Amino acid sequence: AQRVTQPEKLLSVFKGAPVELKCNYSYSGSPELFWYVQYSRQRLQLLLRHISRESIKGFTADLNKGETSFHLKKPFAQEEDSAMYYCALSAAQYGNKLVFGAGTILRVKS
Amino acid sequence: SAVISQKPSRDICQRGTSLTIQCQVDSQVTMMFWYRQQPGQSLTLIATANQGSEATYESGFVIDKFPISRPNLTFSTLTVSNMSPEDSSIYLCSVVSGTSGSSDTQYFGPGTRLTVL
Repeated sequence: AQRVTQPEKLLSVFKGAPVELKCNYSYSGSPELFWYVQYSRQRLQLLLRHISRESIKGFTADLNKGETSFHLKKPFAQEEDSAMYYCALSAAQYGNKLVFGAGTILRVKS
Repeated sequence: SAVISQKPSRDICQRGTSLTIQCQVDSQVTMMFWYRQQPGQSLTLIATANQGSEATYESGFVIDKFPISRPNLTFSTLTVSNMSPEDSSIYLCSVVSGTSGSSDTQYFGPGTRLTVL
């Protein structure tokens, strides 16, 4: 079965500090990994996906199959990054349904 | 990207009643999903809404409690039947944009916040 683990419920950093939101997954095949973000009073939206290998709003995430991780990183946090972040996994074997982690609240303090 | 709207945006209901939530997409999509987000928790998939056939439910969810309709490629409804306070959640519709259904982005509606008294 697929599972996504986000060990931190809350991550609080100062503006300008590096950010790393942790995500580990369990799945024996080749999954697709995503990071979704939900800003205050906005709908859930895709931040990035591992197959795109792109940087969005300064965030990057690398899929590490050996460690089964997909941590989200940003070198310098900004106040507008404060939001709820969800790591999610999908697999063709399961009809591309998304399995979400519990989410991590990121608070960037000034 | 797909633009998704949901109605109602929120509702307060009495236990034992039913509520139907609508999801409308601005383009034809092959895959539509319904999720539940209980207070303080993550999103859990309820079912995949299949056009022209019965929805596919995840473990723990049944058709009698959460009947789903999908009459065409742009619209779906989820009914929460015989509600109890434990059904108080945000219900979200999502769609996969693209024709293949694989490696495509999943977009989410704004959600329907349901409170059951």
